Amino acid sequence: IAGITQAPTSQILAAGRRMTLRCTQDMRHNAMYWYRQDLGLGLRLIHYSNTAGTTGKGEVPDGYSVSRANTDDFPLTLASAVPSQTSVYFCASSPGTSDQETQYFGPGTRLLVL
Amino acid sequence: GQNIDQPTEMTATEGAIVQINCTYQTSGFNGLFWYQQHAGEAPTFLSYNVLDGLEEKGRFSSFLSRSKGYSYLLLKELQMKDSASYLCAVEDSNYQLIWGAGTKLIIKP
Repeated sequence: IAGITQAPTSQILAAGRRMTLRCTQDMRHNAMYWYRQDLGLGLRLIHYSNTAGTTGKGEVPDGYSVSRANTDDFPLTLASAVPSQTSVYFCASSPGTSDQETQYFGPGTRLLVL
Repeated sequence: GQNIDQPTEMTATEGAIVQINCTYQTSGFNGLFWYQQHAGEAPTFLSYNVLDGLEEKGRFSSFLSRSKGYSYLLLKELQMKDSASYLCAVEDSNYQLIWGAGTKLIIKP
């Protein structure tokens, strides 16, 4: 593994189903983030984690949950998917050690909720 | 509220120069980032400005004026591979990134 990986690459999901998007980084970064990207809108922060064991809510957290059991993994769970959660989801990480925190992104998960 | 404004789309010619503007209104300011995103791919880091002035990095330069809430990304000697979206993001007082919607740059031969 080099950098950040996400799984699955894409998914079609029936509304009401539960889904977990996986994110793993091997850079030993403290901070991790989940964004969604929709056409015509900027990246919107869903949840973040400044260090293992802590999480926080971003701009659009409703309908999503996260956990950070260790440094490397930051899964995002949709408890009961709805069509408005159709989007491209990006996981990102940053060192979490300074004020200038360049974020590094995974390849994204394309999710279609029907 | 917090707001980042960028043009939706720009067109330029191969070999030319293009300037992509970004204006912002945010709760606090701890720096401004530019990212490049090719279609279907993840954003990748281009530049970071925290002080006023111009930062040059090869063919790409980024300028910041904090008093005007304004930045621009300057791309010189445009190549076809520069066709991408360019995202402006401001780090606010909570050290969270607020993202613009991005500027889609189309390069024509």
